[in-house]
Amino acid sequence: KAGVTQTPRYLIKTRGQQVTLSCSPISGHRSVSWYQQTPGQGLQFLFEYFSETQRNKGNFPGRFSGRQFSNSRSEMNVSTLELGDSALYLCASSLAGGEREQYFGPGTRLTVT
Amino acid sequence: GENVEQHPSTLSVQEGDSAVIKCTYSDSASNYFPWYKQELGKGPQLIIDIRSNVGEKKDQRIAVTLNKTAKHFSLHITETQPEDSAVYFCAAKDTGRRALTFGSGTRLQVQP
Repeated sequence: KAGVTQTPRYLIKTRGQQVTLSCSPISGHRSVSWYQQTPGQGLQFLFEYFSETQRNKGNFPGRFSGRQFSNSRSEMNVSTLELGDSALYLCASSLAGGEREQYFGPGTRLTVT
Repeated sequence: GENVEQHPSTLSVQEGDSAVIKCTYSDSASNYFPWYKQELGKGPQLIIDIRSNVGEKKDQRIAVTLNKTAKHFSLHITETQPEDSAVYFCAAKDTGRRALTFGSGTRLQVQP
């Protein structure tokens, strides 16, 4: 079974631009969560989608948004990029969320200049 | 919300020795505790997990123990090998949110 895939793997953007990242979960998994990883803040939860609905949200500004499609693929969008948004963005898929195992993709490395 | 503290931040051991990483959590209602291994340039890989109805779980050289009363859990790696070198993260499932709260990570270096 294929693992979680994320595209693109690397991205360089300029302050003020917006960016869209994509995540394809493991086949059969319906829950996708997004995390931001930085050296200073570690791994922080952004939001979770299940059956095309956002089920939960972390403490990030409204510039961070996401969506999930009927095939469970998910995208996250960051608008008006700031230098501090430079990070590794990870998505994790799970059969149904809750207390089920989460499996991470390789991440998208975003650099904002 | 949940808060997870992880120690030590770095750990260096000789090949063949054991390594222990410890985490404490704040929410007594937390009921799921996974451990992840992250190698350079890769996403975190789930290596073992434990649920609150179990005190210990073992998988070959890796074991996890959970003390619900003290609200701490530990990862034990025996007979360490150079390929065990990586950053290890503990996490706790926040029962209020469907999200993992992670510890700050432990960089394990196994010296050949």
